[in-house]
Amino acid sequence: AQSVAQPEDQVNVAEGNPLTVKCTYSVSGNPYLFWYVQYPNRGLQFLLKYITGDNLVKGSYGFEAEFNKSQTSFHLKKPSALVSDSALYFCAVRDRETGGSYIPTFGRGTSLIVHP
Amino acid sequence: EAGVAQSPRYKIIEKRQSVAFWCNPISGHATLYWYQQILGQGPKLLIQFQNNGVVDDSQLPKDRFSAERLKGVDSTLKIQPAKLEDSAVYLCASSSLLAGGTDTQYFGPGTRLTVL
Repeated sequence: AQSVAQPEDQVNVAEGNPLTVKCTYSVSGNPYLFWYVQYPNRGLQFLLKYITGDNLVKGSYGFEAEFNKSQTSFHLKKPSALVSDSALYFCAVRDRETGGSYIPTFGRGTSLIVHP
Repeated sequence: EAGVAQSPRYKIIEKRQSVAFWCNPISGHATLYWYQQILGQGPKLLIQFQNNGVVDDSQLPKDRFSAERLKGVDSTLKIQPAKLEDSAVYLCASSSLLAGGTDTQYFGPGTRLTVL
């Protein structure tokens, strides 16, 4: 079975400061990992994904995430937060070894609030 | 490129009534997903189609939920009869995933269902 934990319901950060949104996962094999962002009354938007290779993945809007296999983590980061980054962020995992089914498991989401 | 279209955006019904949601994926995307997102939770996959065939519907409550994608393009999700606990946002997503690939899913804006 696979699972995702986003330990923080809410993250508060001042504009211009670095931000981190945490995600840890559990899969039986090797993971595919994803980050999505959801703005109010809108669907999820893809930010970035880890498939294989370099542990540091760069994505949209200046976001990046670091895959850490030993800590089973995939934390989302940005060097300098913007007020417009305020949204709900979801981490998702899929087991690479699942064969023909591609059911991803999403975390509960973390609300990011960037203060001016 | 047009995104994933969903309708209606909002629906309010009484319990035991029926409801249907429609989704039109991004042109050329073979794979279509329906998710249920209950307030405060991450999206949960209900069903995945590859063209007009079902890849996985293990998490679909088949006693009341049904979905079809007859021509391999747009799709309909139906609930009959609805229960209070079906109140949620229903998200449709599509991807150009081929078997064994790693998919980036593109989400529609969702349909917010309220069951009274």
